[in-house]
Amino acid sequence: AQSVTQLGSHVSVSEGALVLLRCNYSSSVPPYLFWYVQYPNQGLQLLLKYTTGATLVKGINGFEAEFKKSETSFHLTKPSAHMSDAAEYFCAVSRGANNLFFGTGTRLTVIP
Amino acid sequence: DSGVTQTPKHLITATGQRVTLRCSPRSGDLSVYWYQQSLDQGLQFLIQYYNGEERAKGNILERFSAQQFPDLHSELNLSSLELGDSALYFCASSVSPTASGANVLTFGAGSRLTVL
Repeated sequence: AQSVTQLGSHVSVSEGALVLLRCNYSSSVPPYLFWYVQYPNQGLQLLLKYTTGATLVKGINGFEAEFKKSETSFHLTKPSAHMSDAAEYFCAVSRGANNLFFGTGTRLTVIP
Repeated sequence: DSGVTQTPKHLITATGQRVTLRCSPRSGDLSVYWYQQSLDQGLQFLIQYYNGEERAKGNILERFSAQQFPDLHSELNLSSLELGDSALYFCASSVSPTASGANVLTFGAGSRLTVL
């Protein structure tokens, strides 16, 4: 079975501080991993994805994530938080059927 | 604008009623997915269609049904509605029905259903 666990349903950071959102996955085979962002009253937008190859993946808006097989993790980071980063972030995994299995989400608050 | 169009954006109805949510996939995408987002269940995969055929089923209730039409738009039918069906229903589309490096899901803005 495939699943993802997002540690921390709420994360608060100060503007300009490092953003770290944690995601661990469970999969019997190497997965495809995704981070999506949901701004208030909007749909989900793809931030970045890992399929194969380079384990450090860069996405939009300055975000990046590193696939660590030994730790079964795919944490999302951004060096410097901006007020516009306030949103809910979802980690997701898929394999084969292309159906995404989402984590429970992490709501990011950026404090001015 | 993601290219995936969902209507209606908001819908308020009463328990026991039936509603239909509509989704037009992004141009060129053949696969359509339905997800339900609620506060207590998070984002749950309901069902997937590819080129008119059901491809995969998730946590979809028997009171719910879906179909994909020849023009590739899809409809999600929710019947005998209960208070617990209140949620945001997302449609997503992709080119292929199977996971690959180039194949990602593009989501619509959702249809918010409120059951009173």
